[in-house]
Amino acid sequence: ETGVTQTPRHLVMGMTNKKSLKCEQHLGHNAMYWYKQSAKKPLELMFVYSLEERVENNSVPSRFSPECPNSSHLFLHLHTLQPEDSALYLCASSQDIGQGTTDTQYFGPGTRLTVL
Amino acid sequence: TQLLEQSPQFLSIQEGENLTVYCNSSSVFSSLQWYRQEPGEGPVLLVTVVTGGEVKKLKRLTFQFGDARKDSSLHITAAQPGDTGLYLCAGAGNYGQNFVFGPGTRLSVLP
Repeated sequence: ETGVTQTPRHLVMGMTNKKSLKCEQHLGHNAMYWYKQSAKKPLELMFVYSLEERVENNSVPSRFSPECPNSSHLFLHLHTLQPEDSALYLCASSQDIGQGTTDTQYFGPGTRLTVL
Repeated sequence: TQLLEQSPQFLSIQEGENLTVYCNSSSVFSSLQWYRQEPGEGPVLLVTVVTGGEVKKLKRLTFQFGDARKDSSLHITAAQPGDTGLYLCAGAGNYGQNFVFGPGTRLSVLP
């Protein structure tokens, strides 16, 4: 299997639930990203990992907790979410974090999250 | 903070028409990417441009990177319903992980 995969594709959860989103990249990339895409808003960068170390955390609430056990896998652990957290959560990877073409990001299909 | 603006925000045209959408910034980017995103899916990379003034063609799509590497355009010739989607531009800044997206142009091509 090639590219970036995400599971589950759809998730409905209550505000008291705990769930996790999974992302896997088969491209041999060193950097992975979580984005949030809400209706009528640009893509919002949430977290960046480079070689399994978090290098950016854009003021994301602590109810979102990322985990990167190795360069191919990225998780987003969710707990006590709010209805406004409902969105499409996208994972992406790139060869490196640097300049030029190595920055090009390849996206997974996303997880459509609905918080009731 | 580097920001990207895209125009128009929405565009609805008939099949066979030509169109151009724009991506603008006051900042310089080391590279710029164009993506197309269909509903419920992730963005799919169309092209990466790196050199100021660069022009790349992908079938009926022509991408241009501004000479100063602050803006870009996407021209579609003889649009088809399959071109319908959200077109996003994204820029990589000069500080590594500072990767920003524009708000997108939502294109609808009617048969």
